[in-house]
Amino acid sequence: DVKVTQSSRYLVKRTGEKVFLECVQDMDHENMFWYRQDPGLGLRLIYFSYDVKMKEKGDIPEGYSVSREKKERFSLILESASTNQTSMYLCASSLAGLAKNIQYFGAGTRLSVL
Amino acid sequence: DQQVKQNSPSLSVQEGRISILNCDYTNSMFDYFLWYKKYPAEGPTFLISISSIKDKNEDGRFTVFLNKSAKHLSLHIVPSQPGDSAVYFCAASAVKGSNYKLTFGKGTLLTVNP
Repeated sequence: DVKVTQSSRYLVKRTGEKVFLECVQDMDHENMFWYRQDPGLGLRLIYFSYDVKMKEKGDIPEGYSVSREKKERFSLILESASTNQTSMYLCASSLAGLAKNIQYFGAGTRLSVL
Repeated sequence: DQQVKQNSPSLSVQEGRISILNCDYTNSMFDYFLWYKKYPAEGPTFLISISSIKDKNEDGRFTVFLNKSAKHLSLHIVPSQPGDSAVYFCAASAVKGSNYKLTFGKGTLLTVNP
């Protein structure tokens, strides 16, 4: 079974803090993704990475950055947290080179910025 | 512009009856479609998928139908069970030459009443 682990289930941070969300997958997947989920808006892609040290912007990258130094780990960074970044953050991974493009998700991190 | 649309935010059905969740897409390059199920405070879990070369795929109580000419897919759950109560997301990708992104709909909340 694919396992995608997000380091925290719940986080509370203050406005202006630098926040790190960590994600680790154990299936040697090439692709990794960060989404946020908000009521009525579905899942929106923030950033993704298809290889170590490679990253591409998703649909809503503003206010976020990412780091992928190792294949199994993909970090999402909020440089200066703001209240409008309060959300559920979801990490996912997938294999490259397959016709079946299935992403596997972690349990999510509920971030509250006060 | 939403490329994947789930026009029903919610659906309520009786236990034992059929649940039909609908999804429309606009991008004719999409060639692989997925359904995910999400419980509150958990990450989405992959449910079933279909390639554009097929018009139906079945897995136990779950069947996905694809109508390419109408750019429409649907998920049928028969019989519905209370444990099926969750948010269902439709997703699509253009696998050929893609960067493995998935485009998600906004989700449909299914409630199965005992």
